[in-house]
Amino acid sequence: EVQLVESGGGLVQPGRSLRLSCAASGFAFHNYAIHWVRQAPGTGLEWVSGISWNGDTIGYADSVKGRFTISRDNAKNSLYLQMNSLRADDTAFYYCTKVGGAGSYFQNPFDSWGQGTLVSVSS
Amino acid sequence: DIQMTQSPSTLTASVGDRVAITCRASQSTSSWLAWYQQKPGKAPKLLIYKASSLQSGVPSRFSGSGSGTEFTLTITSLQPDDFATYYCQQYDSYPLTFGGGTKVEIK
Repeated sequence: EVQLVESGGGLVQPGRSLRLSCAASGFAFHNYAIHWVRQAPGTGLEWVSGISWNGDTIGYADSVKGRFTISRDNAKNSLYLQMNSLRADDTAFYYCTKVGGAGSYFQNPFDSWGQGTLVSVSS
Repeated sequence: DIQMTQSPSTLTASVGDRVAITCRASQSTSSWLAWYQQKPGKAPKLLIYKASSLQSGVPSRFSGSGSGTEFTLTITSLQPDDFATYYCQQYDSYPLTFGGGTKVEIK
């Protein structure tokens, strides 16, 4: 069974940093692109960032570009999101999500999601 | 960026009804369109991919259609478990974008 377990969320002051982790199991992690999607409470879904299976292709939403950094460690079956210069509008549940097809970063829907971790940015 | 617009934003229906949700893209996404179901406090769940392909394990009362810029999610014979919020998503190009969601409520 595919499992994605996020951790690292919490309450943080504006301007500070936080690092999210996603632990994967139940599938060949090293073969799949993985993404972060967030959802502010009571609102819709927003794609944040994605990384290809080997880390060669990376993308960011304009809203986080230059502040967030995605990375992965295939040896540890783990995905990370380093979030710097956090703002109030970064407050959201952050989901780790796996694409459906192995190998491709492009044209691949999200077929498995973690339960999410809540990041709250407030003074 | 490709903007995704869903309608209606809220849909009130009864068990057994047939319902349809529309998603329009600001430019063509070919058939690279997915539909997700989300229940309160839970992660989204993939229902339909490539506009009309049913994800494994999803009941056949869910179906998707369309291509280019206009897409539809149809639920035939709405069941109590189907009351949820539904999102479309284009995965043709980056940044990946979602529709604003359609909440299906009980009449």
